Amino acid sequence: NAGVMQNPRHLVRRRGQEARLRCSPMKGHSHVYWYRQLPEEGLKFMVYLQKENIIDESGMPKERFSAEFPKEGPSILRIQQVVRGDSAAYFCASSLTRGPHEQYFGPGTRLTVT
Amino acid sequence: KQEVTQIPAALSVPEGENLVLNCSFTDSAIYNLQWFRQDPGKGLTSLLLIQSSQREQTSGRLNASLDKSSGRSTLYIAASQPGDSATYLCAVRAQGGSEKLVFGKGTKLTVNP
Repeated sequence: NAGVMQNPRHLVRRRGQEARLRCSPMKGHSHVYWYRQLPEEGLKFMVYLQKENIIDESGMPKERFSAEFPKEGPSILRIQQVVRGDSAAYFCASSLTRGPHEQYFGPGTRLTVT
Repeated sequence: KQEVTQIPAALSVPEGENLVLNCSFTDSAIYNLQWFRQDPGKGLTSLLLIQSSQREQTSGRLNASLDKSSGRSTLYIAASQPGDSATYLCAVRAQGGSEKLVFGKGTKLTVNP
């Protein structure tokens, strides 16, 4: 059973470009979470999605960031018009359902904005 | 607002020592607490999950305890090995339906051969 998969693992973008990060949850998992780890900081929650629904986006910056989890295909975290401060490791996690289940994390995508 | 603190920020021990990592949280109304391991440049590996109704969980050389009323958890590592060197993260999930995890900044552990 493959774990949570994220791609690309490393992404370099120039300021003003768009970044698209992909996350495929574990098989059978329908709940996806995105977290961001800034340099020297802890992981911060960004957004929680179920298939076709955003459940909690309280950690998402108000502008330039969006997330989706379509009925088919991976979850996508999109960052428009990237700035240097967006450079970070972005982690995706998945869980089987709501409730007392563990969140399983992917290897992360390391975004560098030049 | 829930805040999670991990002390110490870094710890260096000789191989074979038993050690304790500490985690404290400000709001005791938690659903569960999870300990993770993060290797440099890698993702997170879940080590132990403790539900709010539990006092401790064990896996191999690892034992995690939870004292919800005092807002504390400890991760005990027995007979440490160089392969245990990593950053250890503590995360809590609040009650009330929120699914998000609130993380501490971690303890960076180095086990010297």
